Amino acid sequence: AQSVTQPDIHITVSEGASLELRCNYSYGATPYLFWYVQSPGQGLQLLLKYFSGDTLVQGIKGFEAEFKRSQSSFNLRKPSVHWSDAAEYFCAVGAIDAGNMLTFGGGTRLMVKP
Amino acid sequence: KAGVTQTPRYLIKTRGQQVTLSCSPISGHRSVSWYQQTPGQGLQFLFEYFSETQRNKGNFPGRFSGRQFSNSRSEMNVSTLELGDSALYLCASRQGFQVEAFFGQGTRLTVV
Repeated sequence: AQSVTQPDIHITVSEGASLELRCNYSYGATPYLFWYVQSPGQGLQLLLKYFSGDTLVQGIKGFEAEFKRSQSSFNLRKPSVHWSDAAEYFCAVGAIDAGNMLTFGGGTRLMVKP
Repeated sequence: KAGVTQTPRYLIKTRGQQVTLSCSPISGHRSVSWYQQTPGQGLQFLFEYFSETQRNKGNFPGRFSGRQFSNSRSEMNVSTLELGDSALYLCASRQGFQVEAFFGQGTRLTVV
């Protein structure tokens, strides 16, 4: 069975600073990996996805993530954070042999200081 | 193209009652999945429907059920509500057998 760990429950960064949110997964084969963002009371918005190929993937809102198989990681990065990025971020792993079910990490709540 | 639509957005129910939530997927998407989100358990998979058939089911009691109609719209039903069923219920739609899922805004269920 697959699993996802997001080690940081809360992260606070200053506006304009760089950001890295950590995600570690466990899955026997090559996983499909996703990052979603959720604003308070809202649904999940897909930021980016990794299926195969280039291990550095670009997403919306200036986010990128790097897949590192050797470390079982898929960390999310942004070079310069904006106040509007404050939200909760979820890493997820999916697999066709698991019926396309997504398994989510516990989430990281990002706060942005002015 | 319209996104995933969930209705209603908010619900308040009493313990012991039942509730039905609705989800309309993105046009052309035939797969609908349901997830429960709570502060304590996070996001948990409930079930997935594809072409009116349940394709996968999470680890939830039988009080949680669902169905999908021929137009791909899906409903989720929870019977004999418990306080612990208070949660944000999220629906996701998917095109065919792709893994990428698009989520709706959710239905916030409060059981009192």
